[in-house]
Amino acid sequence: SAVISQKPSRDICQRGTSLTIQCQVDSQVTMMFWYRQQPGQSLTLIATANQGSEATYESGFVIDKFPISRPNLTFSTLTVSNMSPEDSSIYLCSVVVIETQYFGPGTRLLVL
Amino acid sequence: KQEVTQIPAALSVPEGENLVLNCSFTDSAIYNLQWFRQDPGKGLTSLLLIQSSQREQTSGRLNASLDKSSGRSTLYIAASQPGDSATYLCAVSGGSNYKLTFGKGTLLTVNP
Repeated sequence: SAVISQKPSRDICQRGTSLTIQCQVDSQVTMMFWYRQQPGQSLTLIATANQGSEATYESGFVIDKFPISRPNLTFSTLTVSNMSPEDSSIYLCSVVVIETQYFGPGTRLLVL
Repeated sequence: KQEVTQIPAALSVPEGENLVLNCSFTDSAIYNLQWFRQDPGKGLTSLLLIQSSQREQTSGRLNASLDKSSGRSTLYIAASQPGDSATYLCAVSGGSNYKLTFGKGTLLTVNP
């Protein structure tokens, strides 16, 4: 399994600002992802965080809005840029260990 | 595009009852299927992983089945307990990239 921590656990932000979310894993993993869960909805994949190269974004998500860093095999950051109230969501990172996907506790973001 | 549907959206049962949660997916070419539970304000906990070549997996009181050809999976919970109350999510992976497509979940309430 994997133990994943995220910082911050929650935040309230003003429109137009940016927030960087950190994801730390207790072991080296190859596959790491960022998901979003909007209020009342299920999870949607934002991007695959690739170590040493640019992230791979899903349809509807762009690097300018959600820049991702992956400096090593245990850490990644997701930035939510130029936020609007529509960005209010839970943001979760996940990793794959022996075929099973494990999720962090999530970052609860409210944009006013 | 893969779509995952979970029925029912909500279920309320008395303690001790056996129950079945349903998950269907539109594209049968899946790599694996995973069941998660999500507690309010928390992240996701992995319950069971079924590979595409498998028919079922068991863990304690939980049993998950997979019928890939018909695009269906069920999660059977035996002798339900109030602690089982949570949202149960079904997710499928389309390949070894491990990208998950989630259903909207079933909100389970087990009444003491």
